Amino acid sequence: DAGVIQSPRHEVTEMGQEVTLRCKPISGHDYLFWYRQTMMRGLELLIYFNNNVPIDDSGMPEDRFSAKMPNASFSTLKIQPSEPRDSAVYFCASSLQGKVPGELFFGEGSRLTVL
Amino acid sequence: KNQVEQSPQSLIILEGKNCTLQCNYTVSPFSNLRWYKQDTGRGPVSLTIMTFSENTKSNGRYTATLDADTKQSSLHITASQLSDSASYICVVSFSGTYKYIFGTGTRLKVLA
Repeated sequence: DAGVIQSPRHEVTEMGQEVTLRCKPISGHDYLFWYRQTMMRGLELLIYFNNNVPIDDSGMPEDRFSAKMPNASFSTLKIQPSEPRDSAVYFCASSLQGKVPGELFFGEGSRLTVL
Repeated sequence: KNQVEQSPQSLIILEGKNCTLQCNYTVSPFSNLRWYKQDTGRGPVSLTIMTFSENTKSNGRYTATLDADTKQSSLHITASQLSDSASYICVVSFSGTYKYIFGTGTRLKVLA
């Protein structure tokens, strides 16, 4: 299996521009998570999906952030408009859950820089 | 408040030496605890998982311990190698949900 695939790996944009990050989870996994990582705050959960349905989006910073999962093999995280404080590494992770929370499999991340 | 705290924040050791990383948590109800290794510029990768009833688990040169009474875990690295240089993140999950609480990690640097 190719693992969780994220794109782009690096994105540099100017304040006010729209940013779309993409994720392909591991086939067969039923949970998908979006995290943001910064030096100051570590890994923070933004939103997670179960079987393509958003379950908890309480970590989404504000209305500028939105996430979708139109099917089991694709998810997007969109920031519009972007701001310099959004600069971070965004990780997508997928998991196959059972009776206990399963192992998270992370992608390589998308490093976003907003100028 | 549900929290996971790790210590030290950073650590430098010489190749071949052993080290121990600490994780204290206040997550309740507790389901399991994992240690992840994150190489620079990469995503985290799971090293071990420990449930409530487990005290020790090994993965090669990595040994994790868990004391559910004191809510403490440690990760011991034996005979460190240069490739062990990374951040080590303690992750605790809740029973009954699929949310995870992440520690801020320990940055380990192994010098030749």
